[in-house]
Amino acid sequence: EDQVTQSPEALRLQEGESSSLNCSYTVSGLRGLFWYRQDPGKGPEFLFTLYSAGEEKEKERLKATLTKKESFLHITAPKPEDSATYLCAVTTGNQFYFGTGTSLTVIP
Amino acid sequence: EAGVAQSPRYKIIEKRQSVAFWCNPISGHATLYWYQQILGQGPKLLIQFQNNGVVDDSQLPKDRFSAERLKGVDSTLKIQPAKLEDSAVYLCATRWAPGELFFGEGSRLTVL
Repeated sequence: EDQVTQSPEALRLQEGESSSLNCSYTVSGLRGLFWYRQDPGKGPEFLFTLYSAGEEKEKERLKATLTKKESFLHITAPKPEDSATYLCAVTTGNQFYFGTGTSLTVIP
Repeated sequence: EAGVAQSPRYKIIEKRQSVAFWCNPISGHATLYWYQQILGQGPKLLIQFQNNGVVDDSQLPKDRFSAERLKGVDSTLKIQPAKLEDSAVYLCATRWAPGELFFGEGSRLTVL
């Protein structure tokens, strides 16, 4: 069965304390892995797409990496405004499978 | 470029009542998805349209949920009759080509 698992469920960081979020997946025929940010009361906002193992993408304090079994979202020197839920999704073409997300809180 | 528009943003109803949600996609986006997101969970696909045809509705509870996409543009999702467990955020997402989904702000439903 196709599955996407994210860990940890929740993460509290001090401002400036770097860390990583994990997304592991078991799907046949991966066509892309996506990271989204979701603020309370909002729809998910697209961050990155990764298509093949070894690929990396960066945006401000965020860096996403992909291996054959998992992806990491690295957060360097986070700020309070980075507090949000980060969702991972994979696609096999038309279908998208979402994880349950990691709720990140960055404390000033 | 205008984003995905959804309405209403919030709706509170009694169980067994009916409710409808509306979605206007980004212009030119042929693929449209409705997702249900229960608090603390990831989005769960309800139905996927390609233009005005249904691609996947395998997880849509068809005894109470229905959806249509008129002329391959706007879409409505209806729940009748609603149950307590239908309390969730209903997200509409669209896609132009192989690539990311663009989401609307969502419609939050509370069933009392």
